Amino acid sequence: ETGVTQSPTHLIKTRGQQVTLRCSSQSGHNTVSWYQQALGQGPQFIFQYYREEENGRGNFPPRFSGLQFPNYSSELNVNALELDDSALYLCASSQTASSGETQYFGPGTRLLVL
Amino acid sequence: QKEVEQDPGPLSVPEGAIVSLNCTYSNSAFQYFMWYRQYSRKGPELLMYTYSSGNKEDGRFTAQVDKSSKYISLFIRDSQPSDSATYLCAMSARNTDKLIFGTGTRLQVFP
Repeated sequence: ETGVTQSPTHLIKTRGQQVTLRCSSQSGHNTVSWYQQALGQGPQFIFQYYREEENGRGNFPPRFSGLQFPNYSSELNVNALELDDSALYLCASSQTASSGETQYFGPGTRLLVL
Repeated sequence: QKEVEQDPGPLSVPEGAIVSLNCTYSNSAFQYFMWYRQYSRKGPELLMYTYSSGNKEDGRFTAQVDKSSKYISLFIRDSQPSDSATYLCAMSARNTDKLIFGTGTRLQVFP
């Protein structure tokens, strides 16, 4: 167990709805990264938060947004859900936002969009 | 062309076999190389971490990085049924900790 927790574990939404996923980072870690893993694929980087600020973003549209709180926990929000948003959403925490820093993953939230 | 290529398998081997898993990449800026293991419906778990070229051994696992060929490998000795999982290679460049993953190789070790 990495100490990174995510909620909820599973979620079913319909197209056009909005969703919020939550992540608690490992104790002592101030950086959270979010990844999307479609079935049969490797995780794809969505964005990273470091000390409550966005610190890098992958190739995802603006309807994917996030927050990081003073305790370094984080939320991922997705608006106007599309069928292709169905995936496992992973959060990873690291001690700091330095290159090569080890990232520890949570168990993920499985989102199904109907 | 994807930045990281990985054979998706599946790879099926008998217990006790030596397993070789590989990834190739195109971005010469990659400096940090990782192997993660992912059991079904779980998050990825870090197995091995290597900086730049060279070998690293940890128990039954050996990671190799050949930057000149843009090729990384993970060897598993004396494979066990509990090693059955998807193995993901991941890498990142200097000045970023954004991880780029391969598609993962599904491994099945049968008794």
